[in-house]
Amino acid sequence: QSALTQPRSVSVSPGQSVSISCTGTSSDVGGYNYVSWYQQHPGKAPKLMIYDVTKRPSGVPDRFSGSKSGNTASLTISGLQAEDEADYYCCSYAGSYTYVFGTGTQVTVL
Amino acid sequence: QVQLVESGGGVVQSGRSLRLSCVVSGFIFSKYGMHWVRQAPGKGLEWVALIWNDGSKEYYLDSVRGRFTISRDNSKNTLYLQMNSLRVEDTAVYYCAGSTVTTDIFNYWGQGTLVSVSS
Repeated sequence: QSALTQPRSVSVSPGQSVSISCTGTSSDVGGYNYVSWYQQHPGKAPKLMIYDVTKRPSGVPDRFSGSKSGNTASLTISGLQAEDEADYYCCSYAGSYTYVFGTGTQVTVL
Repeated sequence: QVQLVESGGGVVQSGRSLRLSCVVSGFIFSKYGMHWVRQAPGKGLEWVALIWNDGSKEYYLDSVRGRFTISRDNSKNTLYLQMNSLRVEDTAVYYCAGSTVTTDIFNYWGQGTLVSVSS
């Protein structure tokens, strides 16, 4: 149950795109199509942004998209806006009804 | 609308016990599995435990198995986390979380309750 690996931080100008990687193993990210992504603003509860690798819940802007290749999943935010500045966490099913989160990525809008 | 409200957090000495509660409203609680997720101060999210909708199965993070027990009372729409033999490293905000889509995601979260374990 080791945490999935994410870049610690990324900085992007408004209107640009950013991709955040989430690297695991064949026992979690690579083994199942159950990767989800969460946005967390300071002092707030996380919010679901993407689930089942590519699905977007109702109400989440289509600027947010997800993908996966092998043991690495990615969250892409297109046309970055000021309100997208937050921490982002990936999460994967890890078998036997257990789950593992990523280390988290701080997104800064320049 | 959906609401998850946790309570029961506080300051406790290492080795002692604490029970967290989470009252759920806005969806049919008895139909869905529920989770506890924690976040140590300034750190990332960590999944802690899952319980099936009928309470028949429980699953845990390795480091809490044998010390923590997740349970639920579907007649009260309430989820619990009994935490025994608490350690300093259990200090965190504890969130209850669930989903009406699939058990493998967390699309509803409570506001969190802080558990602080002192030595």
